[in-house]
This record gives sequence, C-alpha cells and structure tokens, in this order.
Amino acid sequence: EAGVVQSPRYKIIEKKQPVAFWCNPISGHNTLYWYLQNLGQGPELLIRYENEEAVDDSQLPKDRFSAERLKGVDSTLKIQPAELGDSAVYLCASSSSDRPYYEQYFGPGTRLTVT
Amino acid sequence: AQSVTQLGSHVSVSEGALVLLRCNYSSSVPPYLFWYVQYPNQGLQLLLKYTTGATLVKGINGFEAEFKKSETSFHLTKPSAHMSDAAEYFCAVSETGGFKTIFGAGTRLFVKA
Repeated sequence: EAGVVQSPRYKIIEKKQPVAFWCNPISGHNTLYWYLQNLGQGPELLIRYENEEAVDDSQLPKDRFSAERLKGVDSTLKIQPAELGDSAVYLCASSSSDRPYYEQYFGPGTRLTVT
Repeated sequence: AQSVTQLGSHVSVSEGALVLLRCNYSSSVPPYLFWYVQYPNQGLQLLLKYTTGATLVKGINGFEAEFKKSETSFHLTKPSAHMSDAAEYFCAVSETGGFKTIFGAGTRLFVKA
C-alpha cells in the first residue's frame, strides 16, 4: 500500500510570492487533513476534508490560505501571498472512516522557507 | 476542550536504559489517545493507540503505554532504549468518535551510546 505522497518536499520562496503544496492520500481514504508544524511544535490542523467537502477549516487563515480537493482524492494547499511567518512544515494526512478509531497516516511534509 | 501536555521537551537516556516519556491529557469525554514518532525529515508514524478495553497498550518497536484515567495520563515506555529510537515523539488525544486530534508539543528523545 502506497503511503501519503506530498510534493514538493522543500520549497524556498521570497515573501509576497505565491506557493502551492500538493498531497495525494492513501487510496480509498476519504478523510484528508492539512497540518501546520512549526519548529519544535506538534502539528496543528489547518483544514479537514471529508471526500471533497471541507468540514473543518476553522483554523485556516482564509485571507491568504486556500485549499481544494476537487474530486475527493488529491488536494492542493495554497498560500498567496506568503509571509515570513509562514515558514514551517506543511503535513498532509489521511484516514478512512472504514477503519476504526480514525488513525491518521502522514506524508513526509513540505518544508517551506520564506525569505 | 481537549489538550495535551508532554512533560519535558527533551529526554536523554543511555542505550539499554528505560525510556519514559510523559503525557497528560484533558478531555471532557472518554478519549482516544495516541503516540506518534517522527524521524528527521519524515512525517509522523503511529506507534500505538488506546481506544477502549485494556489500559496497557503495546505498539511497534517494543513501546507500550498505559492509560490511567485517574491520573489523566498516557505515558510511553520502552524497557531498553536503542540508538534507532532517537526521534521526536508526539502524544495526541481525540474525542471518542471524533476526527479532531490535538497533538502535544513533542518530546525529543536522545539516546547516548
């Protein structure tokens, strides 16, 4: 079983530039999560999708962040424009409601550096 | 509201020594509890989980954790540390039947030869 795939793994951009991250979850997983992980901290949820519907985006800074999961499979998270404080690791995870207890499977993350 | 507190941002042990990573949680309903491990430049990997039933939970790589409701704790242990155990460990809590998972700040484990 292939794991959660994320790309790119690393991204360096200048402030005020746009950036996008892509995630492909484990096949058959209907729930997809985007997390923000700052250095020395645990992951913090940005948005959760059930199929193509965003069911929890309360922590997503909507003035500059957007996300989509158009066909209920892969997902894109975008930042426009990026700020210095956005430097962090962006993790994608997926889970299946068919499996008990909703354990999450994480991708390797995208490390964003904003200069 | 749920919360997780991991006591000690860094723990250092000698190879072969006992590993003890502490986690306390707060939840208004019976919780699901998790420990994840993160190796450098990788995502989080599930070590073990408590949902219901037996309070002593065994996971991968020889780790285990015990759910103590009276102490609202879910400490992670391993009898004998190995160099390959050096990583960041995260305790997490979610409400029964819920999808929202709250992670602790993490504990970095160092293993000395």
